[in-house]
Amino acid sequence: EAEVAQSPRYKITEKSQAVAFWCDPISGHATLYWYRQILGQGPELLVQFQDESVVDDSQLPKDRFSAERLKGVDSTLKIQPAELGDSAMYLCASSPRSGSSYEQYFGPGTRLTVT
Amino acid sequence: GQNIDQPTEMTATEGAIVQINCTYQTSGFNGLFWYQQHAGEAPTFLSYNVLDGLEEKGRFSSFLSRSKGYSYLLLKELQMKDSASYLCAAFNQAGTALIFGKGTTLSVSS
Repeated sequence: EAEVAQSPRYKITEKSQAVAFWCDPISGHATLYWYRQILGQGPELLVQFQDESVVDDSQLPKDRFSAERLKGVDSTLKIQPAELGDSAMYLCASSPRSGSSYEQYFGPGTRLTVT
Repeated sequence: GQNIDQPTEMTATEGAIVQINCTYQTSGFNGLFWYQQHAGEAPTFLSYNVLDGLEEKGRFSSFLSRSKGYSYLLLKELQMKDSASYLCAAFNQAGTALIFGKGTTLSVSS
């Protein structure tokens, strides 16, 4: 069964350092999402791509976060500089298309700890 | 605005039935999802409701009332492995990305 791949699974970094996460969606899935999940909370959308284009990045803290999906396949989320409040699980999800008919499939996530 | 509310925690015993409620307020409605998330793992899809009524899938069922902005997830014949967080989610106004509730942590004891 096809799965969303993410790496690394765990990352510990010091504040003010740069960190990057990678996501490879299920093959053929045009829509890719990055979510942030703080412990004890539900996931919150950071950015949504349709192919290589950003559909929604209204909740992305653009002063320190950036995301790209250059060829419309895999994607990278970067934080620079990291802050203590960025400690969270970063989840990538994909779906065949954007829209309510399509289930989102989640990857295993990257757990970030900022010290 | 959009808001999704669900209880923070619930407890139950093996073999019992538990109902997890979710109320939502959304600008437009494009369907409601339930996801299961075990500690430290990614959410996995349980159900999707877009029309009123009950959808049954094995031990799990999900109900939706659009007029009341209300849904519930019903888990029957509880097993220890059902101990997890259950997330209620609805689509944003654009009908593209999901807005999640904070999740209900269910603890099943023997």
